[in-house]
Amino acid sequence: GAGVSQSPRYKVAKRGQDVALRCDPISGHVSLFWYQQALGQGPEFLTYFQNEAQLDKSGLPSDRFFAERPEGSVSTLKIQRTQQEDSAVYLCASSPLFSGSAYTQYFGPGTRLTVL
Amino acid sequence: KQEVTQIPAALSVPEGENLVLNCSFTDSAIYNLQWFRQDPGKGLTSLLLIQSSQREQTSGRLNASLDKSSGRSTLYIAASQPGDSATYLCAVTGANSKLTFGKGITLSVRP
Repeated sequence: GAGVSQSPRYKVAKRGQDVALRCDPISGHVSLFWYQQALGQGPEFLTYFQNEAQLDKSGLPSDRFFAERPEGSVSTLKIQRTQQEDSAVYLCASSPLFSGSAYTQYFGPGTRLTVL
Repeated sequence: KQEVTQIPAALSVPEGENLVLNCSFTDSAIYNLQWFRQDPGKGLTSLLLIQSSQREQTSGRLNASLDKSSGRSTLYIAASQPGDSATYLCAVTGANSKLTFGKGITLSVRP
């Protein structure tokens, strides 16, 4: 079956532009996570959905970052007025049930965002 | 706040060598610990997942151990091959369901 997919794979934005990053999780997966990975660093948690409910958004770095999952499937991470420090790889992961259990998270290939 | 440390940041070994990658974490209140592999330009692939009640997991040439009380895990790779070259990330799952990652160890296996 298909894994987690993300689009676009690469995005170049001028500082101040808005961007939208899409994640298609594995079909039927309840949990969806977004992570930000800066160059040379490990991924850092941004936000977590259980179905359409955003249960944790404590990792979003500022109010310019917004995530949604309106129908409990596809998710979009939106960054408004992009800044150079937003340049990173944005990873999406999904999990069949509740994380913090026996279930691993399955990661997509990521979207590499470069802000000029 | 949970912190995960992986040292060294990079490692280069000749093919065939057995090697150990280390991971430490500060808060022992974890659900599980995972080792991931990341290839350049690609996402993360889960290699092994150890539940907090377990001591180790094995898959092929890989063996991971967990000592929760001391906040340590090791990933053992037997008979390393050039195809093992990648970045290896350790991550713990806390009560809030999110993964906390280390910075990773970039492994290069020389033919």
